[in-house]
Formats: sequence, C-alpha cells, structure tokens
Amino acid sequence: EPEVTQTPSHQVTQMGQEVILRCVPISNHLYFYWYRQILGQKVEFLVSFYNNEISEKSEIFDDQFSVERPDGSNFTLKIRSTKLEDSAMYFCASRVPDRVYEQYFGPGTRLTVT
Amino acid sequence: GEDVEQSLFLSVREGDSSVINCTYTDSSSTYLYWYKQEPGAGLQLLTYIFSNMDMKQDQRLTVLLNKKDKHLSLRIADTQTGDSAIYFCAETLIGNNRLAFGKGNQVVVIP
Repeated sequence: EPEVTQTPSHQVTQMGQEVILRCVPISNHLYFYWYRQILGQKVEFLVSFYNNEISEKSEIFDDQFSVERPDGSNFTLKIRSTKLEDSAMYFCASRVPDRVYEQYFGPGTRLTVT
Repeated sequence: GEDVEQSLFLSVREGDSSVINCTYTDSSSTYLYWYKQEPGAGLQLLTYIFSNMDMKQDQRLTVLLNKKDKHLSLRIADTQTGDSAIYFCAETLIGNNRLAFGKGNQVVVIP
C-alpha cells in the first residue's frame, strides 16, 4: 500500500540554524500539507500546497517557514533560523483532489532545537 | 474558528468495548474524523463522518455524532491489544483545507 514517507525521523539542530524537513507524498496525490505537534499539545496545521503554490497557511507559518516541491516527488519544509519553540513533531500529509476527507499522513520528523 | 477538545487517557480490558469522546465548537464543520497514532508511526485515518449523518459503522468501529451538543464519539467493539494507541478527533470545514485536531486520547488495552 502506498504511503507518505518523511526524512529524517529525528533531527537535532542548534538554535539559529536552518533545517529542511523532507517528505515524499503518495505519487498520485496533488495536495500537500505540513502539520506540527509540540509535545503535549494539539496537532496544528501549518500550510497546504497545491499546484506549486501555497493554498492556505496558518498564523504559525511566518516568514521563517517556507515550502517547496523541488521535483516531482519531494515536498520540503524549510525553517530558516530555528528557535527553541520550533521543537516539535512535524507531519507531512497528502491527498488526491476529489477526496478532501482523506489526508494521508507520514510518520513524522521529530525536530529538536537546542 | 475550530476548537476540538478531548479527554486524555483511557484504560480498557481486552475484549471490552471502549468509547472515546470529543467535543468541537465549530457548528459549520462538515467532516469529522478519527485518526489513530501508534508509537513511532504517523496519523492513520480510521474513519470519518459527514456532518449530515448521525452514525457510521465500520466493522468494530462505530462513530456517533450529536450535532446539537457538538459531540463526537468513537466506540471500539471487542478492543484488542493492537488498538492501544493515541486517538485524535479532527474536523474540517467545507472548502477549507486544514484539519483541526484535538489533543488526543491515549487508549491502553490491558490483556
């Protein structure tokens, strides 16, 4: 069964450094998402992406964040200058256009900012 | 806006039924979901219900929706050890891409 994959599974970085989290969505999916979950808190929406542009973003997704689909398979989340409060589990998700109720999630990347 | 609340922990004996509850605040929610997260794994979509339905049954899973009270529940019949996980309810609006999640319920199944 096809699945969303994410790399790395765990990333440790120092405050102020740039990180890139990678996702490979399911191959025929066209909508892509990033969510995050700070330890002990709710899973929060960050951004959605369709047709090579951001379709929606939350107030969390400020200028420090960017997303890109650099090729036909990868979808990346970049944090330019990480802060301690960016430490969280980051989930990628994807779906096909006509099934808005079926977002498939990857296993997540745990980001630890020290 | 969307706001979803869940209680945190449930312990249940293998073979018993378990019920997980969730309340939401956005009355214009269209789809409501239950996701399961096993240790080290991603969020797995278990089931969803459209807001014009009251109930949906899918094998051992029964979803009940009370729109008047904005209450969503998931009943797992014949709970098995493989059901031990964190369960998240979530909602989304028509035309809105995003999912709004609750904090999750940890379900521990005791053999």
